[in-house]
Amino acid sequence: DIVMTQSPDSLAVSLGERATINCKSSQSVLSSSNNKNYLAWYQQKPGQPPKLLIYWASTRESGVPDRFSGSGSGTDFTLTISSLQAEDVAVYYCQQYYAIPYNFGQGTKLEIE
Amino acid sequence: QLQLQESGPGLVKPSETLSLICTVSGASISDSVNYWAWIRQPPGKGQQWIGTISYSGTTYYNPSLKSRISISLDTSKNQFSLKLTSVTAADTAVYYCATDVRGNRWFDPWGQGTLVTVSS
Repeated sequence: DIVMTQSPDSLAVSLGERATINCKSSQSVLSSSNNKNYLAWYQQKPGQPPKLLIYWASTRESGVPDRFSGSGSGTDFTLTISSLQAEDVAVYYCQQYYAIPYNFGQGTKLEIE
Repeated sequence: QLQLQESGPGLVKPSETLSLICTVSGASISDSVNYWAWIRQPPGKGQQWIGTISYSGTTYYNPSLKSRISISLDTSKNQFSLKLTSVTAADTAVYYCATDVRGNRWFDPWGQGTLVTVSS
């Protein structure tokens, strides 16, 4: 199984500042056949289901604000929120879809400092 | 707009079978576009993918649960279902159904989720 490990477990950032969340996979999720990274990011607000933010490691889902961006390749990935807004308080998860089982990270809780 | 809604018992006894239904609106589950998934989240923990079923009924299961799970389609009701046998307290979780977008293996949208507690 591909194990997904996020860091940090929790993060407090001031409004308007940059937030960075890391995700590491235990093996590469980069496909040599299409040069794509099989990595997605989700946002889960309290009492709500997860919402897809990014897929293919860096492709923003339609309707997601452009302050959210994804980067990285192979085994190391980053979700960046360029200017934190109050509505971004949530738990963020990464997920690999390179191989079954499609595992998620343990989550990173983002709060306002 | 595609929407999903889980339904089923909120309490299941140990060793019994957990059965949940996901009702889909806004799209036909038999359209050759999307796949359909079950995902769960134990209290205070991250998500665990349970399994996925295609529009044609092909299933993909988490190996750690494969011997106990069954996912099926009911195209007449535009629903898909999950059965998990021989449950224990470790199966207590919020269970979500979700759309596997065009079989790409990321999930969006999700249902609101339903808490299933395994307890006698």
